[in-house]
Amino acid sequence: DADVTQTPRNRITKTGKRIMLECSQTKGHDRMYWYRQDPGLGLRLIYYSFDVKDINKGEISDGYSVSRQAQAKFSLSLESAIPNQTALYFCATMGRAVNTGELFFGEGSRLTVL
Amino acid sequence: GDSVTQMEGPVTLSEEAFLTINCTYTATGYPSLFWYVQYPGEGLQLLLKATKADDKGSNKGFEATYRKETTSFHLEKGSVQVSDSAVYFCALRPYNNNDMRFGAGTRLTVKP
Repeated sequence: DADVTQTPRNRITKTGKRIMLECSQTKGHDRMYWYRQDPGLGLRLIYYSFDVKDINKGEISDGYSVSRQAQAKFSLSLESAIPNQTALYFCATMGRAVNTGELFFGEGSRLTVL
Repeated sequence: GDSVTQMEGPVTLSEEAFLTINCTYTATGYPSLFWYVQYPGEGLQLLLKATKADDKGSNKGFEATYRKETTSFHLEKGSVQVSDSAVYFCALRPYNNNDMRFGAGTRLTVKP
């Protein structure tokens, strides 16, 4: 089983609908992240969390919200989806190694907003 | 703010050719530098990393040297294979920060 699991893997929805993407991890990491990938733009950080009570905005948080329900779970919500939120979304985790930690990624959730 | 810039692709090479993908960075302090690879249909995975100046990261025949004087971390491989076809991302983790900044990615296609 994957260490970082994202659901759903693919979703097509309509403008104005509420969407939740879920992420769970078995790595025991405190730090969890949501990134968005668009062609030619690389990955951009949406939100990140260092523990259950900690939520931080990233570079492009507008239009998104997150919930850290437990150490192992971090969900991303689009309250009212719009077409320019069509993208590939990645959840990632990082351990506590100061200054050297690497990110561990899920397989991605492809979202299409019509 | 801290950022990385990597060469635009796509890059197409023949098998056994030499590969260079350029990456330069802007940062205050002493960041850690990474190369991630994304194979088709998969998430990103760490390829190699370097945490201080003059460190060389290496893995699977790929190498990159952390050059503080030129603020660069270029990825190289002496002889690419078809299985190396993927998108490669240069990334930077600022000192004392748990964020990771990514370049735009470079798509590599290796033909037999």
